[in-house]
Amino acid sequence: DIQMTQSPSSVSASVGDRVTITCRASQRISSWLAWYQQKPGKAPKLLIYAASSLQSGVPSRFSGGGSGTDFTLTISSLQPEDFATYYCQQATSFPLTFGGGTKVEIK
Amino acid sequence: EVQLVESGGGLIQPGGSLRLSCAVSGFNVSSNYMNWVRQAPGKGLEWVAVLYSGGSTYHADSVRGRFTISRDNSKNTLFLQMNSLRADDTAVYYCSSVPGLSLSYYMDVWGKGTTVTVSS
Repeated sequence: DIQMTQSPSSVSASVGDRVTITCRASQRISSWLAWYQQKPGKAPKLLIYAASSLQSGVPSRFSGGGSGTDFTLTISSLQPEDFATYYCQQATSFPLTFGGGTKVEIK
Repeated sequence: EVQLVESGGGLIQPGGSLRLSCAVSGFNVSSNYMNWVRQAPGKGLEWVAVLYSGGSTYHADSVRGRFTISRDNSKNTLFLQMNSLRADDTAVYYCSSVPGLSLSYYMDVWGKGTTVTVSS
């Protein structure tokens, strides 16, 4: 199975800050990576697929990058509604696997 | 409108069985790769099972032999039959869909989830 490692596990930031989350795969997955946002008590929401493609309706302040084993999710200017937990997921093979999550908290 | 609605969760004793349902609207359950993903209280996301559009299935090691994913095309519904339930199966169970004809396995549609609690 492909292991996904996210860092940091949590980050404290202020509105307007630039936030970057990293995700590393245990083997090369080309660009087959997705990012999700999850708020408490809610289902995950797809933000980014194929490492850098923005899902329809997602604000352009979210961007993804990377390929191979190392990936990033960047929020260019943090908004109040962005405080949530973010997960990466390898999308190349089953079993699908997720990173452990990064909680973005208010500083 | 594309929508997934889970049902069937509840409180069950260890060793018991439960069947979860996911009613699909807006597309055919047989046209996409359909998944179950779970989340234990305070924990991250764990993929559980997939039902390919062609009918093949694949289950996570943690549930293989105990859980079975299936579908009823006439009812446009996905199921998860859960047997021999254990305390560590306690979680919110989400139904999710991989887009048809996708080159990779990302999940763009999710239900709101149904809660399963395994406890005596």
